[in-house]
Amino acid sequence: RKEVEQDPGPFNVPEGATVAFNCTYSNSASQSFFWYRQDCRKEPKLLMSVYSSGNEDGRFTAQLNRASQYISLLIRDSKLSDSATYLCVVAGGSYIPTFGRGTSLIVHP
Amino acid sequence: NAGVTQTPKFRVLKTGQSMTLLCAQDMNHEYMYWYRQDPGMGLRLIHYSVGEGTTAKGEVPDGYNVSRLKKQNFLLGLESAAPSQTSVYFCASSYRPGQQETQYFGPGTRLLVL
Repeated sequence: RKEVEQDPGPFNVPEGATVAFNCTYSNSASQSFFWYRQDCRKEPKLLMSVYSSGNEDGRFTAQLNRASQYISLLIRDSKLSDSATYLCVVAGGSYIPTFGRGTSLIVHP
Repeated sequence: NAGVTQTPKFRVLKTGQSMTLLCAQDMNHEYMYWYRQDPGMGLRLIHYSVGEGTTAKGEVPDGYNVSRLKKQNFLLGLESAAPSQTSVYFCASSYRPGQQETQYFGPGTRLLVL
Protein backbone atom coordinates (compact mmCIF):
# COMPACT_ATOMS: atom_id res chain seq x y z
CA ARG A 1 0.00 0.00 0.00
CA LYS A 2 1.37 3.39 -0.99
CA GLU A 3 2.08 5.67 1.98
CA VAL A 4 -0.14 8.49 0.73
CA GLU A 5 -3.07 7.75 -1.57
CA GLN A 6 -5.29 10.08 -3.54
CA ASP A 7 -7.99 9.62 -6.15
CA PRO A 8 -6.32 10.94 -9.32
CA GLY A 9 -9.65 12.17 -10.78
CA PRO A 10 -10.15 14.23 -12.78
CA PHE A 11 -12.92 15.90 -10.89
CA ASN A 12 -14.86 17.88 -13.47
CA VAL A 13 -17.14 20.47 -11.85
CA PRO A 14 -19.01 23.61 -12.95
CA GLU A 15 -18.14 27.05 -11.66
CA GLY A 16 -19.72 27.68 -8.29
CA ALA A 17 -19.77 24.03 -7.27
CA THR A 18 -18.44 22.63 -4.03
CA VAL A 19 -15.90 19.84 -4.39
CA ALA A 20 -14.08 17.72 -1.85
CA PHE A 21 -10.95 15.59 -2.05
CA ASN A 22 -9.75 12.99 0.40
CA CYS A 23 -6.28 11.64 0.97
CA THR A 24 -5.41 8.60 3.09
CA TYR A 25 -2.07 7.90 4.73
CA SER A 26 -0.66 4.69 6.11
CA ASN A 27 1.78 5.86 8.79
CA SER A 28 -0.11 6.40 12.02
CA ALA A 29 2.89 8.31 13.43
CA SER A 30 2.56 11.04 10.78
CA GLN A 31 2.75 14.49 12.29
CA SER A 32 2.56 17.09 9.54
CA PHE A 33 -0.06 17.44 6.83
CA PHE A 34 -0.38 19.77 3.88
CA TRP A 35 -2.21 20.45 0.66
CA TYR A 36 -0.11 21.77 -2.22
CA ARG A 37 -1.40 23.05 -5.54
CA GLN A 38 0.39 22.36 -8.82
CA ASP A 39 -0.50 24.05 -12.08
CA CYS A 40 0.35 22.39 -15.37
CA ARG A 41 4.12 22.26 -15.92
CA LYS A 42 4.77 24.42 -12.86
CA GLU A 43 6.25 23.77 -9.44
CA PRO A 44 4.05 22.80 -6.47
CA LYS A 45 3.10 25.60 -4.11
CA LEU A 46 1.69 25.39 -0.61
CA LEU A 47 -2.07 25.81 -0.53
CA MET A 48 -2.55 25.24 3.16
CA SER A 49 -1.30 23.31 6.13
CA VAL A 50 -3.74 20.96 7.84
CA TYR A 51 -4.12 21.25 11.58
CA SER A 52 -5.70 18.82 14.00
CA SER A 53 -8.59 21.15 14.72
CA GLY A 54 -9.24 21.78 11.04
CA ASN A 55 -8.63 25.09 9.36
CA GLU A 56 -10.16 27.37 6.80
CA ASP A 57 -8.71 29.87 4.36
CA GLY A 58 -11.36 31.69 2.39
CA ARG A 59 -13.13 29.16 0.18
CA PHE A 60 -10.81 26.34 1.24
CA THR A 61 -11.30 24.12 4.28
CA ALA A 62 -8.92 21.38 5.38
CA GLN A 63 -9.70 18.65 7.89
CA LEU A 64 -7.62 15.96 9.56
CA ASN A 65 -9.05 12.69 10.84
CA ARG A 66 -6.31 10.88 12.74
CA ALA A 67 -8.51 7.94 13.76
CA SER A 68 -9.26 7.06 10.14
CA GLN A 69 -5.93 8.40 8.86
CA TYR A 70 -7.15 10.77 6.21
CA ILE A 71 -7.13 14.44 5.40
CA SER A 72 -9.61 16.28 3.27
CA LEU A 73 -9.81 19.47 1.26
CA LEU A 74 -13.11 21.21 0.57
CA ILE A 75 -13.36 23.93 -2.06
CA ARG A 76 -16.52 26.04 -2.05
CA ASP A 77 -17.76 28.26 -4.89
CA SER A 78 -15.24 26.82 -7.37
CA LYS A 79 -13.56 29.25 -9.77
CA LEU A 80 -12.07 28.55 -13.18
CA SER A 81 -8.72 29.47 -11.66
CA ASP A 82 -9.02 26.59 -9.18
CA SER A 83 -8.30 24.16 -12.02
CA ALA A 84 -5.07 22.45 -11.04
CA THR A 85 -3.68 19.32 -9.44
CA TYR A 86 -3.95 19.14 -5.67
CA LEU A 87 -1.19 17.25 -3.90
CA CYS A 88 -1.59 15.72 -0.47
CA VAL A 89 1.62 15.76 1.58
CA VAL A 90 2.30 13.90 4.82
CA ALA A 91 5.41 13.91 6.99
CA GLY A 92 6.36 11.65 9.87
CA GLY A 93 8.72 12.04 12.79
CA SER A 94 11.68 12.76 10.51
CA TYR A 95 9.66 15.56 8.86
CA ILE A 96 10.65 14.28 5.40
CA PRO A 97 7.49 14.79 3.33
CA THR A 98 5.81 12.12 1.23
CA PHE A 99 3.65 13.26 -1.64
CA GLY A 100 0.50 11.68 -2.98
CA ARG A 101 0.13 11.37 -6.73
CA GLY A 102 -2.29 14.28 -6.85
CA THR A 103 -5.95 14.86 -7.67
CA SER A 104 -6.79 16.72 -10.85
CA LEU A 105 -9.56 19.33 -10.70
CA ILE A 106 -11.13 20.86 -13.78
CA VAL A 107 -13.60 23.69 -13.26
CA HIS A 108 -15.64 24.51 -16.37
CA PRO A 109 -17.90 27.47 -17.17
CA ASN B 1 14.94 37.25 -2.85
CA ALA B 2 15.07 34.80 -5.76
CA GLY B 3 13.82 31.93 -3.60
CA VAL B 4 14.77 28.58 -5.11
CA THR B 5 16.38 28.55 -8.54
CA GLN B 6 17.34 25.63 -10.76
CA THR B 7 19.84 25.39 -13.58
CA PRO B 8 19.35 24.41 -16.37
CA LYS B 9 15.65 24.70 -17.16
CA PHE B 10 15.78 22.14 -19.96
CA ARG B 11 18.38 19.67 -21.21
CA VAL B 12 18.64 16.89 -23.76
CA LEU B 13 21.20 14.15 -23.12
CA LYS B 14 22.26 11.06 -24.96
CA THR B 15 22.35 7.76 -23.10
CA GLY B 16 25.59 7.45 -21.15
CA GLN B 17 26.29 11.17 -20.90
CA SER B 18 26.69 12.85 -17.55
CA MET B 19 25.35 16.09 -16.19
CA THR B 20 24.85 18.08 -13.00
CA LEU B 21 21.69 19.91 -12.01
CA LEU B 22 22.19 22.89 -9.74
CA CYS B 23 19.75 24.05 -7.10
CA ALA B 24 20.32 27.28 -5.21
CA GLN B 25 18.32 28.92 -2.43
CA ASP B 26 18.81 32.31 -0.79
CA MET B 27 16.50 31.79 2.20
CA ASN B 28 19.10 30.30 4.57
CA HIS B 29 17.16 27.01 4.63
CA GLU B 30 18.69 23.98 6.32
CA TYR B 31 16.84 21.26 4.43
CA MET B 32 17.07 20.74 0.68
CA TYR B 33 15.50 18.03 -1.48
CA TRP B 34 15.60 16.66 -5.00
CA TYR B 35 12.44 15.11 -6.48
CA ARG B 36 11.54 13.69 -9.82
CA GLN B 37 8.04 13.84 -11.23
CA ASP B 38 6.78 11.47 -13.88
CA PRO B 39 3.27 11.30 -15.37
CA GLY B 40 0.90 9.54 -12.98
CA MET B 41 3.62 9.00 -10.38
CA GLY B 42 3.57 12.18 -8.33
CA LEU B 43 6.76 13.54 -6.79
CA ARG B 44 9.27 10.97 -5.65
CA LEU B 45 12.17 11.89 -3.40
CA ILE B 46 15.60 11.14 -4.84
CA HIS B 47 17.97 12.51 -2.19
CA TYR B 48 17.79 15.11 0.51
CA SER B 49 20.10 17.06 2.80
CA VAL B 50 19.52 18.16 6.38
CA GLY B 51 22.41 20.62 6.38
CA GLU B 52 25.67 21.64 4.79
CA GLY B 53 27.91 18.63 4.18
CA THR B 54 25.15 16.05 4.73
CA THR B 55 23.12 13.99 2.26
CA ALA B 56 20.71 11.08 2.56
CA LYS B 57 18.90 8.74 0.20
CA GLY B 58 15.25 9.11 -0.57
CA GLU B 59 12.79 6.78 -2.25
CA VAL B 60 14.50 6.51 -5.68
CA PRO B 61 18.25 7.25 -5.29
CA ASP B 62 19.71 4.77 -7.78
CA GLY B 63 21.59 6.37 -10.68
CA TYR B 64 21.95 9.72 -8.92
CA ASN B 65 24.51 11.33 -6.65
CA VAL B 66 24.28 14.56 -4.70
CA SER B 67 26.49 17.02 -2.88
CA ARG B 68 25.85 19.88 -0.46
CA LEU B 69 29.20 21.62 -0.10
CA LYS B 70 27.59 24.98 0.59
CA LYS B 71 24.41 25.57 2.55
CA GLN B 72 22.75 27.42 -0.30
CA ASN B 73 23.50 24.88 -3.05
CA PHE B 74 22.39 21.31 -3.63
CA LEU B 75 23.76 19.52 -6.69
CA LEU B 76 22.22 16.47 -8.36
CA GLY B 77 24.49 14.42 -10.62
CA LEU B 78 23.73 11.84 -13.24
CA GLU B 79 26.93 9.92 -13.98
CA SER B 80 25.61 7.86 -16.90
CA ALA B 81 22.19 9.00 -18.05
CA ALA B 82 19.56 6.43 -19.04
CA PRO B 83 16.24 6.94 -20.86
CA SER B 84 14.46 5.96 -17.61
CA GLN B 85 15.82 9.19 -16.12
CA THR B 86 13.77 11.30 -18.51
CA SER B 87 11.67 13.31 -16.12
CA VAL B 88 11.00 16.69 -14.57
CA TYR B 89 13.29 17.35 -11.63
CA PHE B 90 12.24 19.65 -8.82
CA CYS B 91 14.42 20.98 -6.08
CA ALA B 92 12.89 22.19 -2.82
CA SER B 93 14.06 23.66 0.46
CA SER B 94 12.62 24.19 3.91
CA TYR B 95 13.86 26.32 6.80
CA ARG B 96 14.32 23.66 9.46
CA PRO B 97 12.88 20.36 10.52
CA GLY B 98 9.65 20.69 12.38
CA GLN B 99 5.95 20.40 12.20
CA GLN B 100 4.11 22.21 9.44
CA GLU B 101 7.34 23.47 7.89
CA THR B 102 6.63 24.61 4.32
CA GLN B 103 8.67 23.44 1.35
CA TYR B 104 9.56 25.95 -1.34
CA PHE B 105 10.10 24.59 -4.83
CA GLY B 106 12.22 25.66 -7.76
CA PRO B 107 10.69 25.94 -11.24
CA GLY B 108 11.94 22.54 -12.34
CA THR B 109 14.40 21.10 -14.85
CA ARG B 110 13.04 19.13 -17.77
CA LEU B 111 15.44 16.39 -18.78
CA LEU B 112 15.14 14.25 -21.88
CA VAL B 113 17.50 11.30 -22.28
CA LEU B 114 17.63 9.84 -25.77
